Amino acid sequence: GENVEQHPSTLSVQEGDSAVIKCTYSDSASNYFPWYKQELGKRPQLIIDIRSNVGEKKDQRIAVTLNKTAKHFSLHITETQPEDSAVYFCAARDNQGGKLIFGQGTELSVKP
Amino acid sequence: DSGVTQTPKHLITATGQRVTLRCSPRSGDLSVYWYQQSLDQGLQFLIQYYNGEERAKGNILERFSAQQFPDLHSELNLSSLELGDSALYFCASSVFDGGGPGDTQYFGPGTRLTVL
Repeated sequence: GENVEQHPSTLSVQEGDSAVIKCTYSDSASNYFPWYKQELGKRPQLIIDIRSNVGEKKDQRIAVTLNKTAKHFSLHITETQPEDSAVYFCAARDNQGGKLIFGQGTELSVKP
Repeated sequence: DSGVTQTPKHLITATGQRVTLRCSPRSGDLSVYWYQQSLDQGLQFLIQYYNGEERAKGNILERFSAQQFPDLHSELNLSSLELGDSALYFCASSVFDGGGPGDTQYFGPGTRLTVL
């Protein structure tokens, strides 16, 4: 079945450094890849997404890249701030309905 | 605030019991999705309804069922509860059936279910 692998499971960086989280997916029919940020006890919030016809997308300090051939996509956060500390989830969706398959999550800690 | 509402926020019950979780989608959204989040399983898709009809199904247990009503709110029914059902249950909504461009899923605040 569909599967999304996410690495690393934990990531600790110094404030101002960059953070990179990587995901791979198994279903070649996947065409939409959102990233969600979840603070402790809160709902997942969409921070950026990318569709299969685009290789890269950027929104201020956040960027996502997609390699369809390798079935691999990554989240890049530059100039990290303590408020970026949270759990980040990648997900993949195919074009048969809206089912999102989530990665296992990455707990990002930004130390001041 | 995503515009998706869920009630109750917390639910504590005993094994063997039955509970109902409620979700109201954002105004204008036709799809409702249910996800279960537990420590060991992460975020797992349970089921999707689109305009009142079941649209997609994940690894939802037979003890669990859901429906979407004419006013588009949805309910998730969990019966014969077991300790392992303790989790956060999230509802999300999107404008259409979720398969097209622009069909972002917005999550509600979740219901924390504790089975004792």
